[in-house]
Amino acid sequence: DGGITQSPKYLFRKEGQNVTLSCEQNLNHDAMYWYRQDPGQGLRLIYYSQIVNDFQKGDIAEGYSVSREKKESFPLTVTSAQKNPTAFYLCASSIVGAESNEQFFGPGTRLTVL
Amino acid sequence: KQEVTQIPAALSVPEGENLVLNCSFTDSAIYNLQWFRQDPGKGLTSLLLIQSSQREQTSGRLNASLDKSSGRSTLYIAASQPGDSATYLCAGRSGGSYIPTFGRGTSLIVHP
Repeated sequence: DGGITQSPKYLFRKEGQNVTLSCEQNLNHDAMYWYRQDPGQGLRLIYYSQIVNDFQKGDIAEGYSVSREKKESFPLTVTSAQKNPTAFYLCASSIVGAESNEQFFGPGTRLTVL
Repeated sequence: KQEVTQIPAALSVPEGENLVLNCSFTDSAIYNLQWFRQDPGKGLTSLLLIQSSQREQTSGRLNASLDKSSGRSTLYIAASQPGDSATYLCAGRSGGSYIPTFGRGTSLIVHP
């Protein structure tokens, strides 16, 4: 089955810890995205990548880092510099550069700071 | 910058009713508009994508329309069912950017 997987489903972080959220896709999409979702705030873009070894900051990149070493993978690290990381994190992917670039989402990771 | 608004934020209807969800956008040079469904604690599921050259798309009981001149898209749900209860989000891409702008969603409850 083609799709996007995210792991873990639930993640708990202690103060001062860095944690990494996994996102993998087998849709052969060039573009991948990370969003954060908070109640009443909608989806906010953290980082996005159009091609391997290249990525750009979104609207709320502070306290986060990413890498794109493989086309299929786009892990997100939530660093200790992110002051309020408790949220639902969503990964997405799409093709690039066409009117038909439909965006597909993974099931999400819920991060809680203890 | 594209701005996307969804009104109302919440909607409750009886089963069997036909209903319309609204999505407004500010940049008429829209590239495409996508409708999603999100169940509590889950990711977004793509429902329909309307390209700028299209006026509407249909899938089963769902029909989405796009009117660039008025800056509106609507999602029509026919014969609503309790299983349609979810949050519905729209997202628009403006010309020149492949990054979509999301609305905050409409939370729909269909009660038996």
